[in-house]
Amino acid sequence: DQQVKQNSPSLSVQEGRISILNCDYTNSMFDYFLWYKKYPAEGPTFLISISSIKDKNEDGRFTVFLNKSAKHLSLHIVPSQPGDSAVYFCAASGGSNYQLIWGAGTKLIIKP
Amino acid sequence: SQTIHQWPATLVQPVGSPLSLECTVEGTSNPNLYWYRQAAGRGLQLLFYSVGIGQISSEVPQNLSASRPQDRQFILSSKKLLLSDSGFYLCAWSHRLIVPRVHYGYTFGSGTRLTVV
Repeated sequence: DQQVKQNSPSLSVQEGRISILNCDYTNSMFDYFLWYKKYPAEGPTFLISISSIKDKNEDGRFTVFLNKSAKHLSLHIVPSQPGDSAVYFCAASGGSNYQLIWGAGTKLIIKP
Repeated sequence: SQTIHQWPATLVQPVGSPLSLECTVEGTSNPNLYWYRQAAGRGLQLLFYSVGIGQISSEVPQNLSASRPQDRQFILSSKKLLLSDSGFYLCAWSHRLIVPRVHYGYTFGSGTRLTVV
């Protein structure tokens, strides 16, 4: 049972435009969400996070939006740059279990 | 600052051979430690996690095993590798502290590319 879903395996965006990566979750106990970025042959690196008490968190070109009623979060990258080409993972945490539950990832390709 | 070291970076092993991947963390104590695998074109699969020395939890039944002989050392092993064990293996650590509505996230090592031939 996938509790965190990233339904788009890949996404192609023109350089300079907005990239929107989506993530859905099923467990209403999740109260913290994180986005990680991964380049090939490297470990994932933390990008941005959001607590369930907020609906938006912004860090430079990256903004994460959380819609608790829809159990949906999205990562916006504006403007998209070639270095943003990577796999993006959504992860969720909640309750007393400190583990992260991961989505399958979305491969973002930024076209020049 | 905290650092995580994982080695080797790449490994080619024949089917049936043993495996030992090592991961060490510096600059923190009592971390939670994790072994993940990313198979080609797939997401992150949690294999093992540990909340303390000698405490190992397995998420996926398989021919792999993990051990934590020291607080900041985590080892992934196999007695006999299978072709299906090929993949990208990642070690990670996280703080053990639990704070409501906060997660300090995982810090990952650089990974080991394992090819079983």
